[in-house]
Amino acid sequence: SQQGEEDPQALSIQEGENATMNCSYKTSINNLQWYRQNSGRGLVHLILIRSNEREKHSGRLRVTLDTSKKSSSLLITASRAADTASYFCAAHGSGNTGKLIFGQGTTLQVKP
Amino acid sequence: GAVVSQHPSRVICKSGTSVKIECRSLDFQATTMFWYRQFPKKSLMLMATSNEGSKATYEQGVEKDKFLINHASLTLSTLTVTSAHPEDSSFYICSAGDFGDQPQHFGDGTRLSIL
Repeated sequence: SQQGEEDPQALSIQEGENATMNCSYKTSINNLQWYRQNSGRGLVHLILIRSNEREKHSGRLRVTLDTSKKSSSLLITASRAADTASYFCAAHGSGNTGKLIFGQGTTLQVKP
Repeated sequence: GAVVSQHPSRVICKSGTSVKIECRSLDFQATTMFWYRQFPKKSLMLMATSNEGSKATYEQGVEKDKFLINHASLTLSTLTVTSAHPEDSSFYICSAGDFGDQPQHFGDGTRLSIL
C-alpha cells in the first residue's frame, strides 16, 4: 500500500504564483523525501527532510514536516513554466531495506 | 552527481516476446537497486528489490517468474519481462541507492508496449 497520500492530485497555476502540495503518511518515518518527475522521464530528487526537522529550504523550494500530524508540504515559490511536472513524496518502508514508498503524486501545471 | 542509466528507453514488441531492461549505476557501486512500475497518471509501485549477488526480493503480488531480476555486478541490474503480454505494457523505472535513508537515483525509465 502507498505510504503517502497527496493532495491536490492536480494543480494548475499561473507563472509567478506559489504552488503548495501536501502529503500525509501512515507510519513512523526517519525522513520524508520529495521527488519530481517530468512527463515520461525518471524521478529527480528534490529535497529530504529528517524527522527531527520542521522546515527546510532549497532555492525556491520550502518543505515542512509535522510528525505529530504525519504530514508534509512542499511549497514552490515564484513558479515557472519549467516547474510543470508531477511531484511525489516518499518515505522509507519499515525495516532497514532502503525501499521507498511513494505517495500518489500531484500533477502541477504552470501556465506561462 | 550520481547517475543511473536505464536502457532501452522504449520497446515495442509482439506478445510472447521476452524483454530485457538494463539498469546501470555509472559512477557509484550499487549493492541494492529497485524496480518500479508506473501506470499512466499513477504513482510508482515497487516491484522488487534487486540485491547484488543474491536473489531479488519481490513485493506481494509480483510474479517472480514473470519478472526475472538479475543483479550480477555492483553496477548492473536487469529486469526481464518473460513472455510479455499486452497487460505487461507499462513504464518501468529503476533506481539505485544506499541502504538507510539516503535519496535514490533514478533511471529515465523504459516504456514497454506489447502489441
